[in-house]
Amino acid sequence: AQSVTQPDIHITVSEGASLELRCNYSYGATPYLFWYVQSPGQGLQLLLKYFSGDTLVQGIKGFEAEFKRSQSSFNLRKPSVHWSDAAEYFCAVSPGNTDKLIFGTGTRLQVFP
Amino acid sequence: KAGVTQTPRYLIKTRGQQVTLSCSPISGHRSVSWYQQTPGQGLQFLFEYFSETQRNKGNFPGRFSGRQFSNSRSEMNVSTLELGDSALYLCASTLDRNTEAFFGQGTRLTVV
Repeated sequence: AQSVTQPDIHITVSEGASLELRCNYSYGATPYLFWYVQSPGQGLQLLLKYFSGDTLVQGIKGFEAEFKRSQSSFNLRKPSVHWSDAAEYFCAVSPGNTDKLIFGTGTRLQVFP
Repeated sequence: KAGVTQTPRYLIKTRGQQVTLSCSPISGHRSVSWYQQTPGQGLQFLFEYFSETQRNKGNFPGRFSGRQFSNSRSEMNVSTLELGDSALYLCASTLDRNTEAFFGQGTRLTVV
């Protein structure tokens, strides 16, 4: 069965520091991969997606993610974090023959000034 | 272009009651999916509709049902509410298969 693992439940960084959020997936073929961000009490906003092609994808708000097939990973990165990036981040996979998304458990990002 | 609209934003219901939640997708989007988000279980897929047909269903009891209308608007219904149904219910719309999903702000359901 497909699954997504986000090993870090909570990450704290200082403003201006770099960030990497980890995501590993389990799926037989190459899935469609997504990162979403959620502010408290709000819906999910798409940061970026990977369907095929270049394994380094750029998203909104200065985020990027790299798909590594050999490691079944799709880690999210940002070179310099801003206080407004504090939120919960979800990695998701779609098998591709459906719009169903399978989400990881999320990583809560806290940013200190 | 308007985003995904979910109504109502907040609901308080009593155990045993039923509830209907509504979702209007982005104009032109034909697929609507529903998710339940709770602190304990995270984000879980409920069902997916495309052109008024249920295309996929998650592992939820039969008390959870949904439908999609010809204008792509969707409703989900939960009957015989239980305390554990308290959650944020999120709706997402996609243009078609294999495209990104856009989420509404959700309906916060509290069962007392």
